Amino acid sequence: GENVEQHPSTLSVQEGDSAVIKCTYSDSASNYFPWYKQELGKGPQLIIDIRSNVGEKKDQRIAVTLNKTAKHFSLHITETQPEDSAVYFCAADDPGGGADGLTFGKGTHLIIQP
Amino acid sequence: DADVTQTPRNRITKTGKRIMLECSQTKGHDRMYWYRQDPGLGLRLIYYSFDVKDINKGEISDGYSVSRQAQAKFSLSLESAIPNQTALYFCATSDRYEQYFGPGTRLTVT
Repeated sequence: GENVEQHPSTLSVQEGDSAVIKCTYSDSASNYFPWYKQELGKGPQLIIDIRSNVGEKKDQRIAVTLNKTAKHFSLHITETQPEDSAVYFCAADDPGGGADGLTFGKGTHLIIQP
Repeated sequence: DADVTQTPRNRITKTGKRIMLECSQTKGHDRMYWYRQDPGLGLRLIYYSFDVKDINKGEISDGYSVSRQAQAKFSLSLESAIPNQTALYFCATSDRYEQYFGPGTRLTVT
C-alpha cells in the first residue's frame, strides 16, 4: 500500500513569512494529493488538492507543487497570518491498496509567531 | 447544520466495556470512513464502506467493528474497550476523492 512521509513535524515562522511543508509518497500509481488543515477541536478540512496531470496549483496565499518523477509534493503558504496556525496533513490516494481511501502523513504543526 | 455529525463528542469508558460511536451525514455520499488519530501518528483508517452492503477493513481494524445502517449512517463499535484505544476518532464521507470529516469523538478508556 501507499506510504506518505511528511516533514517537518513542527514549523514555526514569523507572521508574514512563508511556510513550506513537504511530503513524499511511495506508490507511483497515486494520482490525487490533497492537503488538509485541522484546527484545534475540529476535524480536518480540505484546503487544496492536486492531481497528477498538474504540476502546480494556487489558491490565493496557498499553493501546492507536485513532482511525479521524484514522488514528492509540497504545500506553500505565503504571507502567513495568525489564523494559519494549525496542524496540516498531506495525503495521497492508494490505488493499489484496495482501500480506495487516503493515506495521510503524520502532520505538521504550523505555528505563526506574532 | 453540519454535513457530517458524530456522537458522542466526548466519552470516557472503562476497560472491557462495549461502546458505539455514531456518524451521520447529509451529503448524500455513498462512501464513508472511520479514522483514528493519535498524536504524532496522523490519521489511520479503521474501516470503510462504499455502500450499505459493502464493508471493508482498513489498516487498523483489530478490536473494532462497524455497521452501515443506511446510506447516511455508519457506526463504529469497540466490543471490549482497552486503554490503547484511547484516541480521537473521525468519521468521513466522500463522493470519490475529497473527504469531508466530522468534528471527531474524543474517547478515553480507563
